[in-house]
Amino acid sequence: QSVLTQPPSVSGAPGQRVTISCTRSSSNFGAGYDVHWYQQLPGTAPKLLISDNTHRPSGVPDRFSGSKSGTSASLAITGLQAEDEADYYCQSYDNSLSGWVFGGGTKLTVL
Amino acid sequence: QVQLQESGPGLVKPSETLSLTCAVSGYSISSGYCWEWIRQPPGKGLEWIGSIHHSGRTSYKPSLKSRVAISVDTSKNQFSLKLSSVTAADTAVYYCARRPVNFNWFDPWGQGTLVTVSS
Repeated sequence: QSVLTQPPSVSGAPGQRVTISCTRSSSNFGAGYDVHWYQQLPGTAPKLLISDNTHRPSGVPDRFSGSKSGTSASLAITGLQAEDEADYYCQSYDNSLSGWVFGGGTKLTVL
Repeated sequence: QVQLQESGPGLVKPSETLSLTCAVSGYSISSGYCWEWIRQPPGKGLEWIGSIHHSGRTSYKPSLKSRVAISVDTSKNQFSLKLSSVTAADTAVYYCARRPVNFNWFDPWGQGTLVTVSS
Protein backbone atom coordinates (compact mmCIF):
# COMPACT_ATOMS: atom_id res chain seq x y z
CA GLN A 1 0.00 0.00 0.00
CA SER A 2 1.40 3.37 -1.08
CA VAL A 3 2.13 5.96 1.57
CA LEU A 4 0.51 8.49 -0.78
CA THR A 5 -2.91 7.50 -2.15
CA GLN A 6 -4.08 8.47 -5.63
CA PRO A 7 -7.13 7.35 -7.59
CA PRO A 8 -6.11 4.66 -10.10
CA SER A 9 -7.78 6.43 -12.98
CA VAL A 10 -9.58 9.59 -14.05
CA SER A 11 -11.03 10.61 -17.37
CA GLY A 12 -12.40 13.64 -19.14
CA ALA A 13 -13.41 14.93 -22.52
CA PRO A 14 -11.27 17.38 -24.48
CA GLY A 15 -11.60 20.89 -23.10
CA GLN A 16 -12.83 19.74 -19.71
CA ARG A 17 -11.18 20.11 -16.31
CA VAL A 18 -10.00 17.16 -14.27
CA THR A 19 -8.39 16.89 -10.87
CA ILE A 20 -6.19 14.18 -9.38
CA SER A 21 -5.96 13.88 -5.61
CA CYS A 22 -3.04 12.74 -3.48
CA THR A 23 -3.81 11.94 0.14
CA ARG A 24 -1.49 11.12 3.01
CA SER A 25 -2.93 9.63 6.19
CA SER A 26 -0.10 10.70 8.47
CA SER A 27 1.03 14.18 9.43
CA ASN A 28 3.61 14.16 6.65
CA PHE A 29 1.87 16.97 4.78
CA GLY A 30 1.08 18.84 7.96
CA ALA A 31 4.75 18.85 8.81
CA GLY A 32 5.29 21.03 5.79
CA TYR A 33 6.64 18.46 3.39
CA ASP A 34 5.92 19.66 -0.09
CA VAL A 35 4.20 17.61 -2.77
CA HIS A 36 5.47 17.36 -6.32
CA TRP A 37 3.79 16.01 -9.45
CA TYR A 38 5.18 14.14 -12.46
CA GLN A 39 3.73 13.34 -15.84
CA GLN A 40 4.75 10.08 -17.49
CA LEU A 41 3.76 9.80 -21.13
CA PRO A 42 3.56 6.26 -22.51
CA GLY A 43 7.00 4.69 -22.89
CA THR A 44 8.88 7.68 -21.50
CA ALA A 45 10.53 8.77 -18.28
CA PRO A 46 8.60 10.82 -15.73
CA LYS A 47 8.81 14.58 -16.15
CA LEU A 48 8.50 17.12 -13.35
CA LEU A 49 5.19 18.90 -13.77
CA ILE A 50 4.63 20.74 -10.47
CA SER A 51 7.18 21.30 -7.70
CA ASP A 52 6.70 22.50 -4.14
CA ASN A 53 2.91 22.07 -4.27
CA THR A 54 2.16 24.87 -6.72
CA HIS A 55 5.22 25.81 -8.77
CA ARG A 56 5.24 25.15 -12.51
CA PRO A 57 8.73 24.62 -13.96
CA SER A 58 9.60 26.54 -17.09
CA GLY A 59 7.90 25.09 -20.14
CA VAL A 60 4.94 23.52 -18.33
CA PRO A 61 1.67 24.94 -19.68
CA ASP A 62 -0.44 26.97 -17.27
CA ARG A 63 -3.26 24.48 -17.85
CA PHE A 64 -1.56 22.47 -15.13
CA SER A 65 -1.81 23.66 -11.54
CA GLY A 66 -1.20 22.22 -8.11
CA SER A 67 -2.58 22.87 -4.67
CA LYS A 68 -2.20 21.52 -1.16
CA SER A 69 -4.43 21.78 1.87
CA GLY A 70 -3.90 19.89 5.09
CA THR A 71 -3.15 16.27 4.31
CA SER A 72 -4.29 16.41 0.69
CA ALA A 73 -2.78 17.74 -2.50
CA SER A 74 -4.32 18.04 -5.93
CA LEU A 75 -3.29 18.39 -9.53
CA ALA A 76 -5.73 20.19 -11.80
CA ILE A 77 -5.65 20.10 -15.57
CA THR A 78 -7.88 22.52 -17.46
CA GLY A 79 -8.62 22.61 -21.18
CA LEU A 80 -7.90 18.89 -21.43
CA GLN A 81 -6.02 17.87 -24.58
CA ALA A 82 -5.40 14.47 -26.16
CA GLU A 83 -1.67 14.78 -25.45
CA ASP A 84 -2.39 15.00 -21.72
CA GLU A 85 -3.21 11.29 -21.71
CA ALA A 86 -0.55 9.89 -19.39
CA ASP A 87 0.16 8.56 -15.92
CA TYR A 88 0.50 11.15 -13.17
CA TYR A 89 2.39 10.62 -9.92
CA CYS A 90 2.55 12.64 -6.74
CA GLN A 91 5.68 12.51 -4.61
CA SER A 92 6.80 13.75 -1.21
CA TYR A 93 9.26 13.08 1.58
CA ASP A 94 8.36 10.61 4.31
CA ASN A 95 9.93 11.24 7.69
CA SER A 96 9.22 7.74 9.03
CA LEU A 97 11.03 6.18 6.07
CA SER A 98 13.68 8.89 5.92
CA GLY A 99 13.23 8.87 2.20
CA TRP A 100 11.13 9.84 -0.77
CA VAL A 101 7.80 8.25 -1.63
CA PHE A 102 5.51 8.24 -4.64
CA GLY A 103 1.80 7.81 -4.97
CA GLY A 104 0.59 4.75 -6.84
CA GLY A 105 -0.07 6.78 -9.97
CA THR A 106 -3.22 7.89 -11.77
CA LYS A 107 -3.94 7.06 -15.38
CA LEU A 108 -5.61 9.94 -17.19
CA THR A 109 -7.75 8.99 -20.17
CA VAL A 110 -8.91 11.69 -22.57
CA LEU A 111 -12.22 10.51 -23.96
CA GLN B 1 21.26 21.64 -20.34
CA VAL B 2 21.80 18.77 -17.94
CA GLN B 3 21.28 15.30 -19.33
CA LEU B 4 21.44 11.91 -17.62
CA GLN B 5 21.90 8.58 -19.35
CA GLU B 6 21.67 5.15 -17.73
CA SER B 7 23.66 2.17 -18.97
CA GLY B 8 24.29 -1.41 -17.93
CA PRO B 9 23.32 -5.02 -18.61
CA GLY B 10 19.71 -5.59 -19.53
CA LEU B 11 19.68 -9.12 -18.13
CA VAL B 12 20.92 -10.26 -14.73
CA LYS B 13 20.71 -13.74 -13.23
CA PRO B 14 18.96 -14.35 -9.91
CA SER B 15 21.24 -14.00 -6.87
CA GLU B 16 23.75 -11.94 -8.84
CA THR B 17 24.50 -8.22 -8.59
CA LEU B 18 22.81 -5.61 -10.76
CA SER B 19 25.20 -2.81 -11.77
CA LEU B 20 24.13 0.38 -13.53
CA THR B 21 25.84 3.64 -14.35
CA CYS B 22 24.36 7.08 -14.91
CA ALA B 23 26.47 9.40 -17.05
CA VAL B 24 25.86 13.10 -16.46
CA SER B 25 26.49 15.74 -19.12
CA GLY B 26 26.10 19.49 -18.94
CA TYR B 27 26.91 19.72 -15.24
CA SER B 28 29.81 18.72 -12.99
CA ILE B 29 28.52 16.11 -10.59
CA SER B 30 30.88 17.26 -7.83
CA SER B 31 29.58 20.84 -7.94
CA GLY B 32 26.35 20.19 -6.12
CA TYR B 33 22.98 18.44 -6.03
CA CYS B 34 22.06 14.92 -4.97
CA TRP B 35 21.99 12.10 -7.48
CA GLU B 36 19.19 9.60 -7.29
CA TRP B 37 18.12 6.13 -8.39
CA ILE B 38 14.43 5.32 -8.87
CA ARG B 39 12.86 2.21 -10.38
CA GLN B 40 9.57 1.17 -11.93
CA PRO B 41 8.52 -2.49 -12.28
CA PRO B 42 6.70 -3.19 -15.53
CA GLY B 43 3.16 -1.83 -15.35
CA LYS B 44 3.63 -0.54 -11.80
CA GLY B 45 4.48 2.65 -9.96
CA LEU B 46 7.69 4.42 -9.04
CA GLU B 47 9.95 3.42 -6.15
CA TRP B 48 12.81 5.51 -4.76
CA ILE B 49 15.93 3.38 -4.24
CA GLY B 50 18.54 5.74 -2.87
CA SER B 51 20.68 8.80 -3.39
CA ILE B 52 24.19 10.17 -3.09
CA HIS B 53 25.04 13.73 -2.11
CA HIS B 54 27.73 15.40 -4.18
CA SER B 55 29.94 15.11 -1.08
CA GLY B 56 29.55 11.32 -1.17
CA ARG B 57 27.02 10.91 1.62
CA THR B 58 24.43 8.24 0.78
CA SER B 59 20.83 7.55 1.74
CA TYR B 60 18.94 4.35 0.94
CA LYS B 61 15.38 3.09 1.15
CA PRO B 62 15.35 1.08 4.38
CA SER B 63 13.87 -2.08 2.81
CA LEU B 64 16.68 -2.14 0.22
CA LYS B 65 19.51 -0.83 2.37
CA SER B 66 21.18 -4.20 2.96
CA ARG B 67 21.52 -4.81 -0.79
CA VAL B 68 22.17 -1.36 -2.25
CA ALA B 69 25.30 0.67 -2.81
CA ILE B 70 25.50 3.99 -4.69
CA SER B 71 28.83 5.58 -5.54
CA VAL B 72 30.18 8.51 -7.53
CA ASP B 73 33.07 8.68 -9.99
CA THR B 74 33.85 12.35 -10.36
CA SER B 75 36.62 11.70 -12.90
CA LYS B 76 34.04 10.27 -15.29
CA ASN B 77 31.21 12.54 -14.12
CA GLN B 78 28.96 9.59 -13.40
CA PHE B 79 27.38 7.74 -10.52
CA SER B 80 26.54 4.09 -10.11
CA LEU B 81 24.07 1.70 -8.53
CA LYS B 82 24.80 -1.80 -7.30
CA LEU B 83 21.97 -4.03 -6.10
CA SER B 84 23.03 -7.43 -4.82
CA SER B 85 21.20 -10.75 -4.49
CA VAL B 86 18.62 -9.83 -7.07
CA THR B 87 15.37 -11.71 -7.63
CA ALA B 88 12.61 -11.46 -10.20
CA ALA B 89 11.04 -8.77 -8.02
CA ASP B 90 13.94 -6.48 -8.95
CA THR B 91 12.95 -6.55 -12.62
CA ALA B 92 12.19 -2.93 -13.47
CA VAL B 93 13.05 0.11 -15.50
CA TYR B 94 15.78 1.89 -13.54
CA TYR B 95 15.97 5.67 -13.74
CA CYS B 96 18.61 8.07 -12.53
CA ALA B 97 17.67 11.63 -11.65
CA ARG B 98 18.98 14.82 -10.07
CA ARG B 99 17.63 16.48 -6.91
CA PRO B 100 18.53 19.89 -5.50
CA VAL B 101 20.13 19.50 -2.09
CA ASN B 102 17.55 21.47 -0.12
CA PHE B 103 14.52 20.39 -2.12
CA ASN B 104 12.64 17.14 -2.55
CA TRP B 105 11.81 16.97 -6.25
CA PHE B 106 13.60 15.13 -9.04
CA ASP B 107 14.55 16.85 -12.28
CA PRO B 108 15.76 15.93 -14.81
CA TRP B 109 15.46 12.18 -15.23
CA GLY B 110 17.37 9.85 -17.48
CA GLN B 111 15.45 7.93 -20.13
CA GLY B 112 15.58 4.74 -18.06
CA THR B 113 16.96 1.28 -18.70
CA LEU B 114 15.09 -2.01 -18.36
CA VAL B 115 16.78 -4.66 -16.26
CA THR B 116 15.30 -8.13 -16.30
CA VAL B 117 16.24 -10.67 -13.64
CA SER B 118 16.01 -14.14 -15.14
CA SER B 119 18.08 -17.26 -15.49
